[in-house]
Amino acid sequence: DAGVTQSPTHLIKTRGQQVTLRCSPKSGHDTVSWYQQALGQGPQFIFQYYEEEERQRGNFPDRFSGHQFPNYSSELNVNALLLGDSALYLCASSLANIWRDSTLSLASNTEAFFGQGTRLTVV
Amino acid sequence: SQELEQSPQSLIVQEGKNLTINCTSSKTLYGLYWYKQKYGEGLIFLMMLQKGGEEKSHEKITAKLDEKKQQSSLHITASQPSHAGIYLCGADRDTDKLIFGTGTRLQVFP
Repeated sequence: DAGVTQSPTHLIKTRGQQVTLRCSPKSGHDTVSWYQQALGQGPQFIFQYYEEEERQRGNFPDRFSGHQFPNYSSELNVNALLLGDSALYLCASSLANIWRDSTLSLASNTEAFFGQGTRLTVV
Repeated sequence: SQELEQSPQSLIVQEGKNLTINCTSSKTLYGLYWYKQKYGEGLIFLMMLQKGGEEKSHEKITAKLDEKKQQSSLHITASQPSHAGIYLCGADRDTDKLIFGTGTRLQVFP
């Protein structure tokens, strides 16, 4: 089992450009979450995808968008890159099996597996 | 202010020493996760605590969740250089995302 895989591992982009990051979840997982981790900070939740739809979103602008494919893999797109977008982008996969009040919730008896991340540098 | 506060922010210990990292939440925790991160890499799952008073151990690492479910501690016994890294606590707030603390950077010197 390859676990969660992310590509590319490193990326350098120019301010104003667009970038696409990719994530393949752990085998058997159906939910993908994306996190942004600035240097010296804990990861910040961007959004989560399940059944090819965005189910929950953190406090990130619309420049950040995503997609989930039928095979559960996911992409994170960032448009009009800013210098402040430089960070480690982490993808986490999990198995969703609890619905609470019509809202998808991370199952309490599973854990989220993280990929190695994509280091994005905006210059 | 941070929903999850970790202390200390940084820790330098001599190999063989014991150490404790704390994670305090401003709200009730439905699940508390501990991860380890090597610099610039992904997060490695260590353990998850769910019930108040719960304690779990893996090799030389023990984590506890207090009865009121608002604080957790991670204890490493007889630290080794392989324990070096950043330790992050993550909280499940009964939503579908994890909230993380800012992390504790651990260095272990021979």
